[in-house]
Amino acid sequence: AQTVTQSQPEMSVQEAETVTLSCTYDTSENNYYLFWYKQPPSRQMILVIRQEAYKQQNATENRFSVNFQKAAKSFSLKISDSQLGDTAMYFCAFIWSYGKLTFGQGTILTVHP
Amino acid sequence: DAMVIQNPRYQVTQFGKPVTLSCSQTLNHNVMYWYQQKSSQAPKLLFHYYDKDFNNEADTPDNFQSRRPNTSFCFLDIRSPGLGDAAMYLCATSRDDSYNEQFFGPGTRLTVL
Repeated sequence: AQTVTQSQPEMSVQEAETVTLSCTYDTSENNYYLFWYKQPPSRQMILVIRQEAYKQQNATENRFSVNFQKAAKSFSLKISDSQLGDTAMYFCAFIWSYGKLTFGQGTILTVHP
Repeated sequence: DAMVIQNPRYQVTQFGKPVTLSCSQTLNHNVMYWYQQKSSQAPKLLFHYYDKDFNNEADTPDNFQSRRPNTSFCFLDIRSPGLGDAAMYLCATSRDDSYNEQFFGPGTRLTVL
């Protein structure tokens, strides 16, 4: 079975600071993709960043970057220069076959002014 | 802008009264998904369509059904809603059912009285 674990139910950070959200996963598959999705309060879920498992280089998207450790099955998200608009629920997700997206439990991130 | 649209955004129904939720997309994607998300939990996949092929998750209750009359529209029918079916229902699309990003709609919040 494919599982995704986010061990931090809630995190908070001051505006302009850096925060890291943790995610681990379990799979026996070799080919898969990992995603971080952001779900702001009362707004739709949007993709923040994606990582292909066969790529060793960590993905980056502007202020968002990941630390992908394939052997450790770890996929953390770093948000630099946090902004108030980053306040949201963040889901780590894993896709391995036929579009089956498995989500972690989510981490509520609050950015304080 | 290409997007995923869900109507209505809020739906109230009575216990046992059938209800239909609607999703449409302008992305011309082949795959459409329905997820159930209960408060502060991860989205749970109910089923998906690859074109006209319907794929039901093994643990999706029989009370939930879906229709996809054409590429753009997909419906979620709840035949006899129970109190436990109160949740946010998310529609998502992807170009195909491999490793591609899924695009989410804003969701329909269902309340069962």
